[in-house]
Amino acid sequence: QVQLQESGPGLVKPSETLSLTCAVSGFSISQGFYWGWIRQSPAKGLEWIGHIHHSGIVDYTPSLKSRVTITVDTSKNEFSLTLTSVTATDTAVYFCARRSSGYDEQYFDSWGRGTLVIVSS
Amino acid sequence: DIEMTQSPDSLSVSLGERATINCKSGQTLLHSFDNRNYLAWYQQRPGQPPKLLISWASTRESGVPDRFGGGGSGTDFTLTINGLQAEDVAVYYCQQYFSIPLTFGGGTRVEIK
Repeated sequence: QVQLQESGPGLVKPSETLSLTCAVSGFSISQGFYWGWIRQSPAKGLEWIGHIHHSGIVDYTPSLKSRVTITVDTSKNEFSLTLTSVTATDTAVYFCARRSSGYDEQYFDSWGRGTLVIVSS
Repeated sequence: DIEMTQSPDSLSVSLGERATINCKSGQTLLHSFDNRNYLAWYQQRPGQPPKLLISWASTRESGVPDRFGGGGSGTDFTLTINGLQAEDVAVYYCQQYFSIPLTFGGGTRVEIK
């Protein structure tokens, strides 16, 4: 059974860069599927950030596209999120998740427990 | 972006009774080439991540109790919980995957009356 675990700093200063990693166990990223990031805040609810295929195919939400990068490291079986120039509005619980494998199956069938990131000086 | 609107924001239902949650999309989620509705439902219990319940508007995931049912087509969808159990206390979300960006509804909180 696939398990996902987010890690990274819980506190980031405004204007700096948020970096999170999702370690995947019980399943090889190289076998397929897409791997995504979703965040949740009281103000915006659940917000899809983007997802990546092990081949490097990636999609981002347009509102964050200029600041976000998602990468995958198949050797470590993990994928990462980088969000630059953060502000208080980026404060949220960040989830990593596995997106179903089919090209049209853009829903998330396994989720990490989430990690709270607070943007504050 | 496709806006997803859920109603009600919250509802209280007695144990064993039915809960009905509505989800309306800003445009059709029914794709003409495959005649499928690109909508999923999730359950989020307190302190936990969302859990996928239903995809394609009405297909239950493996292991999801059959008291959970999804229906609707086009722009109007429902999640029904027949015979509410205590463990069903949660916030429920719909999500469209018809087009990027993927978007979620605001959630419906289900409580026990």
